Amino acid sequence: GAGVSQSPRYKVAKRGQDVALRCDPISGHVSLFWYQQALGQGPEFLTYFQNEAQLDKSGLPSDRFFAERPEGSVSTLKIQRTQQEDSAVYLCASSLGLPVTGTEAFFGQGTRLTVV
Amino acid sequence: GQQLNQSPQSMFIQEGEDVSMNCTSSSIFNTWLWYKQDPGEGPVLLIALYKAGELTSNGRLTAQFGITRKDSFLNISASIPSDVGIYFCAYAGGTSYGKLTFGQGTILTVHP
Repeated sequence: GAGVSQSPRYKVAKRGQDVALRCDPISGHVSLFWYQQALGQGPEFLTYFQNEAQLDKSGLPSDRFFAERPEGSVSTLKIQRTQQEDSAVYLCASSLGLPVTGTEAFFGQGTRLTVV
Repeated sequence: GQQLNQSPQSMFIQEGEDVSMNCTSSSIFNTWLWYKQDPGEGPVLLIALYKAGELTSNGRLTAQFGITRKDSFLNISASIPSDVGIYFCAYAGGTSYGKLTFGQGTILTVHP
């Protein structure tokens, strides 16, 4: 596609529910990032994929968070047993190669998750 | 982790005014990035800075990489209503793949 596509755009989950957020990166992009953006804050790094390999998951806040990119294209961020503190916008970004400076990353519109 | 301090937190200005915002850190960085985020959208890169002292322009935007490598500023000249949004500074470093660390953001409101 023309840009990074995320779905759904909005998700309301009851506390304790599991959710799955999808990211379709720009076709052919090797690198894929997930960020979490709480209200009034800047995005915070969650995890990084190079093709299908998850090379860094240091930002995942707990073992309830799990991400995968099985075929090196589409990625899914799964949150189990959602809590109210998980409410945030989840942003996906992709880049063509191996970004060193960060300038090559393109962001999607994000999924706004609200846990009630 | 490293922290970036952005100021001001918010600005309310009249159309046509110039705007200045800055970002500081206690650590030395090799790259400073400035992003803009519109409501309901992801951040979009405005300007990237790679060298201490570097001054770079992009239309009405000008950004500088501080000499100490611990700060950067972004100026917007002759603001227009579409400049409304949240501006973030960020750095990419410490990894081989460009993981970004963002500041808290400056919310800009422009009154026509």
